[in-house]
Formats: sequence, structure tokens, C-alpha cells
Amino acid sequence: GAGVSQSPSNKVTEKGKDVELRCDPISGHTALYWYRQSLGQGLEFLIYFQGNSAPDKSGLPSDRFSAERTGGSVSTLTIQRTQQEDSAVYLCASSLHHRAKPRGTGRIAEQFFGPGTRLTVL
Amino acid sequence: GIQVEQSPPDLILQEGANSTLRCNFSDSVNNLQWFHQNPWGQLINLFYIPSGTKQNGRLSATTVATERYSLLYISSSQTTDSGVYFCAVEQPDSWGKLQFGAGTQVVVTP
Repeated sequence: GAGVSQSPSNKVTEKGKDVELRCDPISGHTALYWYRQSLGQGLEFLIYFQGNSAPDKSGLPSDRFSAERTGGSVSTLTIQRTQQEDSAVYLCASSLHHRAKPRGTGRIAEQFFGPGTRLTVL
Repeated sequence: GIQVEQSPPDLILQEGANSTLRCNFSDSVNNLQWFHQNPWGQLINLFYIPSGTKQNGRLSATTVATERYSLLYISSSQTTDSGVYFCAVEQPDSWGKLQFGAGTQVVVTP
């Protein structure tokens, strides 16, 4: 079946502009994660969605970053007033199951990643 | 937070050679995944292996959770095996977020 898709694949923007990045998870996957990959920081977690709610936003680097998920499916990551240090590849992942609570043992499924959006801020 | 260390950082192999990549982690984990990032940047799932041993073709992996390490074996390497291999562990008491190692850059020469 179809994997995780992301759009656009590449985005070049000017410093100070807002950008929106989109993620379409695998159909039926309830858990959705955003990560970013940059040269200096490697791969780092940004935010986690369980359905339409985001119980873990601990990785968002500043209040310029926000994300939403609608219909338990598509998610959008928005970066306001972009800065050069926001340049990175933004990756989305989804998994079939999610943990019921942070300390629960629930079934945890494998995360599958999309191809990413390469963001360049000039 | 949990620390994930991968070794070696770089590996150059001749086609047909075998190799072992290692991942050490600093705390008990609920999940461990191995990925191959191809030259186009796509992360490809290799193994979901919180414990035990799995094999998939020329690749196999072993995780010894009690000793906090995992090994990825590549046998009879091919040029298409080139890329970066990442180990990622699910942080304890988290909502499933993965903590990645820095990766092992593998180059397989003809």
C-alpha cells in the first residue's frame, strides 16, 4: 500500500516568511511524529500526535513552530517568521498503534518515515 | 535523556565483504529500530528489534536489551548497501518518540 507522503519535497523561502509543510500518514495509522534532520543536530524529534491531539510537543524549538492534525490523518507543520537556522529536512513518520499513556506498556508499532521536505531559508 | 552511540562512524567496504555495525544505548528501551538512509535521503526500515535476533536476506540484527546494545550485520555487501545506517531507540516513559544515533556512513566500493 501507499507509504507516508510529504509535500512539498523542496521549499526555498526568504528569511521572515511563513511556511507550511504537509504530511499524509499511512492510512489507518493513529500515531504521527514530526522529526527534523540538520547537519549540526542529526535527527531530532519535534512533536507527536495521537489522533488529532498532541500530547508531546517537547521537541518544538520555539513558539514559531506549530503543528496540527485534522481528521486523524493529514498533519501540517507551520514555521512562522523563518530563520536561517530552520533550514533542515523535515521528516514525518506514522505508526499503526500508539502508547495509551507514557508509562503504559501498550503495543508500540514500528515507525515508517516519509521522504521528507527539504527547507532552505535564504 | 537516553544516549545512543553508534560505531564505527564511517566504514569503507569492498563489494562482497561482511561487516558489523554497533549501537549502544544508555537505558532500558521499549523499542529499537534500524534504518538505512539512501542517497536520496529516504529512511528505509530494516528491523524493528527491541530484543532477540532477526534476519532479512543479507542483513541480520541482534539486540541484547539487558546489556543495552544492538548489532547490525551486513553480509556479502553490495554497492546498493551504501548510505547511512541509523539506530533509533524509543525513549523510556515517552509517547514513542525515537532518539537517533549519529549514524554509520557506509561506502561499498566495486
